[in-house]
Formats: sequence, structure tokens, C-alpha cells
Amino acid sequence: QSALTQPRSVSGSPGQSVTISCTGTSSDVGGYNYVSWYQQLPGKAPKLIIYDVNKRPSGVPDRFSGSKSGNTASLTISGLQAEDEADYYCCSYAGTYIHYVFGTGAKVTVL
Amino acid sequence: QVQLVQSGAELKKPGASVQFSCKTSGYTLTHYYMHWVRQAPGQGLEWMGLISPGGDFTIYAQKFQGRVTISRDTFTSTLFMELSSLRSEDTALYFCAREGASASKYFDYWGQGALVTVSS
Repeated sequence: QSALTQPRSVSGSPGQSVTISCTGTSSDVGGYNYVSWYQQLPGKAPKLIIYDVNKRPSGVPDRFSGSKSGNTASLTISGLQAEDEADYYCCSYAGTYIHYVFGTGAKVTVL
Repeated sequence: QVQLVQSGAELKKPGASVQFSCKTSGYTLTHYYMHWVRQAPGQGLEWMGLISPGGDFTIYAQKFQGRVTISRDTFTSTLFMELSSLRSEDTALYFCAREGASASKYFDYWGQGALVTVSS
């Protein structure tokens, strides 16, 4: 099972919006509304920021939003802040054989 | 509050086995699926496997079938993962993670990670 495809890096200035794509197949992203997103700061564990495509856990700022169209999910960070500089990973449930597949990861840089 | 505290770093020789522990607190271990995810240096996350809330079944990623065993001790609320026949490519940071309630298909809490270095 191949990893979901994400851009290697995305950058933006403070206050701008950036969008990270996550492309899979009809067997994972396109087949289930079980896409989640994780923020990983250097040397830290991943932190859940989006689940079920577009839901935010309590405590996650509303400038993080998720969506999905076909086999591609997206994470948008609106009003980019310096503290958003991190690696971001998507993850999709992929059925009872593969189970879970993560994205390749995207590094967000705040200029 | 929910906490997952993992054991420390390990240095292992090729061919050896390693066992990680993940001490959980703040919730009932037997109510949640628990997972292991690893991350090689500078690389992405990779799902390894899970154990059911009842502990009655485990599921492993095909890549690790035959080399990985996930278990738990409900008395100490501790999750374990053993990886055998280690090779250099297994050098990675290993995370335990809790799946959200009701088999929700996302990971809401993570351990801090435990590094294993495989080197002769």
C-alpha cells in the first residue's frame, strides 16, 4: 500500500492561507469519510487537528479546516501564524485489509 | 487527563528483538483500540498494527506480519509491542496511539515516542 501523496513543502506569510493536499485512491481517501490530519512539531508526537474529513477536536483553532473531493483531501490553514510552522500528515482509513495509510507529510514554513 | 507514557530509547543489534511499553492512564484501556505507528528518521508516519478493546484480536500491517506482536496488561494499563528480527531499516521512533471512542478511525492521543536504533 503506497502512502498518500502530499506536497513536500508549503509556505506562506503570516496572515495568509495555505492549503495542503492529500491524494489517495478510491480505496482509501475516496472510499471513506475517515480522513484525519496531524500536526507534528520537531521532536514531538503528532497531534490530531482534524478528524472525519472536516471536524476539529476541542481546543484546535478554527483557522484549521478540512475538506475532501473525490480521492483528494485538503487541509487549509487560514490566518497563518508562526506557531503553525510544523510538519502535517494526513491519514485515511483504508478498509479491513490495509486499515490505515498515512500521507508523505508536508512541511509548512511561515515566511 | 489522558496520558500515554512510553519506555525509553533502545540500541539493538541486527537480528535481535525489542519490546516497547506504553503506560496508559486517565481512561480505561479496555474501552479503546490501541495502535502502534512508527517514523523512520526524516521520514513519514507508518501504521504498524492495533489491538482491540477486549484484547481478543490484533491486526498487523502486512509489512510487519510475522515480526510484530502487540499485547497489553490490563492490570497495569500498559500496552506492549514487540518487533523481532530487527534490521537497520527498523531504526525509527515508535509511537503508541489511542484510537478515538467507538472505533472512530483517528488517533486522538499519542505517546511521546521511543527510539530504537538498530546497529551492529
